[in-house]
Amino acid sequence: AQRVTQPEKLLSVFKGAPVELKCNYSYSGSPELFWYVQYSRQRLQLLLRHISRESIKGFTADLNKGETSFHLKKPFAQEEDSAMYYCALNAGGTSYGKLTFGQGTILTVHP
Amino acid sequence: GAVVSQHPSWVICKSGTSVKIECRSLDFQATTMFWYRQFPKQSLMLMATSNEGSKATYEQGVEKDKFLINHASLTLSTLTVTSAHPEDSSFYICSGKLAGVRFEQFFGPGTRLTVL
Repeated sequence: AQRVTQPEKLLSVFKGAPVELKCNYSYSGSPELFWYVQYSRQRLQLLLRHISRESIKGFTADLNKGETSFHLKKPFAQEEDSAMYYCALNAGGTSYGKLTFGQGTILTVHP
Repeated sequence: GAVVSQHPSWVICKSGTSVKIECRSLDFQATTMFWYRQFPKQSLMLMATSNEGSKATYEQGVEKDKFLINHASLTLSTLTVTSAHPEDSSFYICSGKLAGVRFEQFFGPGTRLTVL
């Protein structure tokens, strides 16, 4: 079975500081990994996915299969980045389309 | 982007009653819809996968007779919490997935259920 772990429930940084939200996964196959963000009083929305290798709102995430990690990084945090962040895994196969979410990390960026 | 709505956004009911939550894809056809449950400041737990025109597939530990899911059309799925109890109080979120698109799900805003 697959599992996603986000070790930090809360993360606080100051504006302009670098931020890294950790995500580790457990899955025997080749996973598809995503980061979702939920701003206050808003719905969950896709931030980025590993296969796209894109940068959204200054965030990047690299899949490290050796360390089974998919950490989310941003070099200079902004106050508007304050939100709940979820790492998620799509196992594919018989679990096609189903997402397994991590516990989430609440990021607070202080002015 | 694709939009998913849920109705109602919040509901309060008495213990023992049933509550229906609707999930609609407004501008796309969702061949698959997912229902999640989210406890305060915790993760989303997948409850069931709903494919249009067929029976829902429930995750282990989810009572299918208690959480009835119907996906009668490509734009509507419903979740009925039968004989609700206070422990069913939670935030219920649905998402819709486009046919042929492997991974992207579009999430609804959620429904807050409080059972008294």
